[in-house]
Amino acid sequence: GDSVTQMEGPVTLSEEACLTINCTYTATGYPSLFWYVQYPGEGLQLLLKATKADDKGSNKGFEATYRKETTSFHLEKGSVQVSDSAVYFCALSDQYGDYKLSFGAGTTVTVRA
Amino acid sequence: GAVVSQHPSWVICKSGTSVKIECRSLDFQATTMFWYRQFPKQSLMLMATSNEGSKATYEQGVEKDKFLINHASLTLSTLTVTSAHPEDSSFYICSAWGDRTESAGELFFGEGSRLTVL
Repeated sequence: GDSVTQMEGPVTLSEEACLTINCTYTATGYPSLFWYVQYPGEGLQLLLKATKADDKGSNKGFEATYRKETTSFHLEKGSVQVSDSAVYFCALSDQYGDYKLSFGAGTTVTVRA
Repeated sequence: GAVVSQHPSWVICKSGTSVKIECRSLDFQATTMFWYRQFPKQSLMLMATSNEGSKATYEQGVEKDKFLINHASLTLSTLTVTSAHPEDSSFYICSAWGDRTESAGELFFGEGSRLTVL
């Protein structure tokens, strides 16, 4: 079945450092890929998405590119802020569009001032 | 963005009792809701999909008699953990898709409910 593997945390960074969270997937067909973020005390929010190979999703300074050849969707940000401290989840939905998501385990990111 | 609210955010109960968790879409109509379970340091596991006015569809391995799901209106779905046992202790999260979703994956998530069974 479909699955997502993402980098284990926790990750602790200083402000303005670069952040990369690795995510790889296993799926049949052509899944859509997502990054969700969960800030402390809040529900998961969609951060960015990509629906086909070579698409780049971007939002709030974060980027991720759908790489079919490496089955990856790594999340990157060039300069993090304290407000980026959160848990980040990589997820995929299959090509059938039934909105079922398969999630990675989540990566906790803490940014220190 | 759209708001999905869960209640209670945490609950402690005795073994053998039943616990109900509510998931409400506050500013949109949720035709479909999903219930997830999350174990510590693990990913969210989809338990079931509920569509308003019909029976929930459970994922393989999820006991439908144990986890009762009701989606009686377009703004409310409930998850009832019946005869709870300590192994049911977990973080339960709901998400909703409805008339404000334009494409797959734009689900709105509740804050989660932490259940502890003593």
